[in-house]
Amino acid sequence: DVKVTQSSRYLVKRTGEKVFLECVQDMDHENMFWYRQDPGLGLRLIYFSYDVKMKEKGDIPEGYSVSREKKERFSLILESASTNQTSMYLCASSLTGGYGYTFGSGTRLTVV
Amino acid sequence: GENVEQHPSTLSVQEGDSAVIKCTYSDSASNYFPWYKQELGKRPQLIIDIRSNVGEKKDQRIAVTLNKTAKHFSLHITETQPEDSAVYFCAASKGGSYIPTFGRGTSLIVHP
Repeated sequence: DVKVTQSSRYLVKRTGEKVFLECVQDMDHENMFWYRQDPGLGLRLIYFSYDVKMKEKGDIPEGYSVSREKKERFSLILESASTNQTSMYLCASSLTGGYGYTFGSGTRLTVV
Repeated sequence: GENVEQHPSTLSVQEGDSAVIKCTYSDSASNYFPWYKQELGKRPQLIIDIRSNVGEKKDQRIAVTLNKTAKHFSLHITETQPEDSAVYFCAASKGGSYIPTFGRGTSLIVHP
């Protein structure tokens, strides 16, 4: 009963490529989030969205952009991938107030 | 903004022992404190949460305690088993905010 789905489990991309990471949730949650997870650094918020077409920068937005055209879908875009963007990327969604927070399975991105 | 500190970063115990992970938070307005478990290669999943109107909550072998005055909360796991081995994250959020602040995680290792 997967509720937050990330389109790819593993990705390998070349430096300079434009990369799209897709996330879809079926719980009718208002809020969606993108995090990157690196050893020793925990979960760092990249961008979040509290409504369709709305987006807000998180703690580390540089080098990333996002798109939310439909309530259930939130995309993370790496405009020009760099090796320091090699990481695990986690999508999450929640109700207002942070309740019902649910993560996707993650996408492990390697930029070579 | 909110700041959540989590200790220890690594915890190694023998099977059957108890494990305690502690978190402190800075914003006295925070009122919701979830804990997530992330097994190797899997998504973080909510295991227990507590709201600021209670001091303790238990679910079988796990419990969470909250001290609002001192602004800290703890996860207690009794009779640990090898399958408890995982990374545990604490978080804090407040009503009206949809962005939980996560601790950096604790890697719990339970030796058989």
